[in-house]
Amino acid sequence: DVKVTQSSRYLVKRTGEKVFLECVQDMDHENMFWYRQDPGLGLRLIYFSYDVKMKEKGDIPEGYSVSREKKERFSLILESASTNQTSMYLCASAVGNTIYFGEGSWLTVV
Amino acid sequence: AQSVAQPEDQVNVAEGNPLTVKCTYSVSGNPYLFWYVQYPNRGLQFLLKYITGDNLVKGSYGFEAEFNKSQTSFHLKKPSALVSDSALYFCAVRALYGGATNKLIFGTGTLLAVQP
Repeated sequence: DVKVTQSSRYLVKRTGEKVFLECVQDMDHENMFWYRQDPGLGLRLIYFSYDVKMKEKGDIPEGYSVSREKKERFSLILESASTNQTSMYLCASAVGNTIYFGEGSWLTVV
Repeated sequence: AQSVAQPEDQVNVAEGNPLTVKCTYSVSGNPYLFWYVQYPNRGLQFLLKYITGDNLVKGSYGFEAEFNKSQTSFHLKKPSALVSDSALYFCAVRALYGGATNKLIFGTGTLLAVQP
């Protein structure tokens, strides 16, 4: 089975803090994604990566950056967290035409 | 523009009755379509996909979906609903975008509530 692991399930951070969300996949997938999920808005793509050190902006990249130094790890970075970034963050990796998701990270910014 | 619409925020059905969760899409070229399910406080789980071939696709947990090209729809169905099917369901279409051609565009989700 494909396993996508998000190390932090629940986080509470203060406004202005730097936040790292880590994601690891164990299937040597080239493509990895970070989505944000908000009620009534569905899933929106923040960034994706199709290879090590390669990244592209998704639909809502503002306020976020990403890092992919190794194939199995894709990190989402909030340089200065704000309250409007309180959300559920979902990491995913893809092989062929199927995307597999992690369990999600609930981030609350206070 | 490529998009997915799920016209119902919530679908209510009695246990044992058939269920349908609706999805329509707009995409250039041949669509690659997907259904995912999300249980409370969990990530998304893959249910099924349509790439090509038979218009009726069978997936996990007894779900199936029917691809209708003329109506640009990909409705999710199950002959007999279970209370445990209660969850949030997302339809998605593959978008050709940048270097990752398997980027998915998601609908806003439909909450399925199955009453005992």
